[in-house]
Amino acid sequence: AQKVTQAQTEISVVEKEDVTLDCVYETRDTTYYLFWYKQPPSGELVFLIRRNSFDEQNEISGRYSWNFQKSTSSFNFTITASQVVDSAVYFCALSENTGGGNKLTFGTGTQLKVEL
Amino acid sequence: DTGVSQDPRHKITKRGQNVTFRCDPISEHNRLYWYRQTLGQGPEFLTYFQNEAQLEKSRLLSDRFSAERPKGSFSTLEIQRTEQGDSAMYLCASTTTRATGETQYFGPGTRLLVL
Repeated sequence: AQKVTQAQTEISVVEKEDVTLDCVYETRDTTYYLFWYKQPPSGELVFLIRRNSFDEQNEISGRYSWNFQKSTSSFNFTITASQVVDSAVYFCALSENTGGGNKLTFGTGTQLKVEL
Repeated sequence: DTGVSQDPRHKITKRGQNVTFRCDPISEHNRLYWYRQTLGQGPEFLTYFQNEAQLEKSRLLSDRFSAERPKGSFSTLEIQRTEQGDSAMYLCASTTTRATGETQYFGPGTRLLVL
């Protein structure tokens, strides 16, 4: 069975600090996708990034960057120069192809609090 | 492009009552997923549809739960004889199989509280 572990339950930083959210996954699939979603207090899950298991290039999007390392089964997320608006729960997820569908297995999330 | 919408956003009910939630996916998205999220946890898969066909159901989906997507567009999730343990956020997501590597786009969710 697939599993996603987000060991950090809660992280508190001061605005402008850099912060890294860890994600470790387990799967027997050779082809899979990894995702990060943001869940602000309103509750809606906001898609941030999708990464194919065959593409280990790191990606940067503005203040966000992602480090995918297949050798350690990790897909970590870094926010540079954090802002108060980054405060949210962040979920890492792994897709599993079952009978044609691609259901997501989520970690338990990391609550990020960015304070002034 | 209109996002996924869910109705109602909040529902309070008494134990034993039936409730029904609706999800309207992004237009032309042929796959629709339902997830349940309890406090402090990540969302857990319940079921998914490709067009109008329900192709997989989780063991979490007891006999009291039923989902439909009659015309391959909107979907409903009904819970009969609600129990306090059903209190959770119910999330709907949609995607299209035409894109390489599905990205599921989520709605705002329906928060259910069973008293």
